[in-house]
Amino acid sequence: ILNVEQSPQSLHVQEGDSTNFTCSFPSSNFYALHWYRWETAKSPEALFVMTLNGDEKKKGRISATLNTKEGYSYLYIKGSQPEDSATYLCAHWALEAGSYQLTFGKGTKLSVIP
Amino acid sequence: KAGVTQTPRYLIKTRGQQVTLSCSPISGHRSVSWYQQTPGQGLQFLFEYFSETQRNKGNFPGRFSGRQFSNSRSEMNVSTLELGDSALYLCASSLVSGQQFFGPGTRLTVL
Repeated sequence: ILNVEQSPQSLHVQEGDSTNFTCSFPSSNFYALHWYRWETAKSPEALFVMTLNGDEKKKGRISATLNTKEGYSYLYIKGSQPEDSATYLCAHWALEAGSYQLTFGKGTKLSVIP
Repeated sequence: KAGVTQTPRYLIKTRGQQVTLSCSPISGHRSVSWYQQTPGQGLQFLFEYFSETQRNKGNFPGRFSGRQFSNSRSEMNVSTLELGDSALYLCASSLVSGQQFFGPGTRLTVL
């Protein structure tokens, strides 16, 4: 069984602060790493899909890095805004028991205080 | 483009019954995946269908099954419902097996 761990479980930041959180995953059988944002009462929304070691992706104030050799990815939010409040999920796409599976972490719940 | 749609949005069933959930993917997407989310658990992968064939499967009992039609619409069936099947069921579509586009989910309550 593949374990995808996210930390911290939750955090509160002031508006304007920058923040980052971690996703760790098994480095074997790696295929891709996904990041999603899940706002309350909405559907998860894709942020990034990363496949190559050393990949860096950016979307506005949000960016992510990937290290497949050591099995971790960081998500950074620069100048947090209240609308960034959401649960951020990472997911590891890998081969397990003959099937490719997208295994999600339990997420990091971000609350941005105005 | 219209997004992923799921019906019904809410469902209440009793133990032992069966249920069928429906998912219509984004037009042009041929891959449909199903996920279960229960309190305290992350999203757990149930299975993926591509071109009417189950291509990948998660670690769920055989009571959970699915199918995909020629228009890429997919259904998920759960037989002999248990209390622990109460969950939010999400489907997601993608072009191949990449970035997932999620529907709004079906909230199933088993009494």
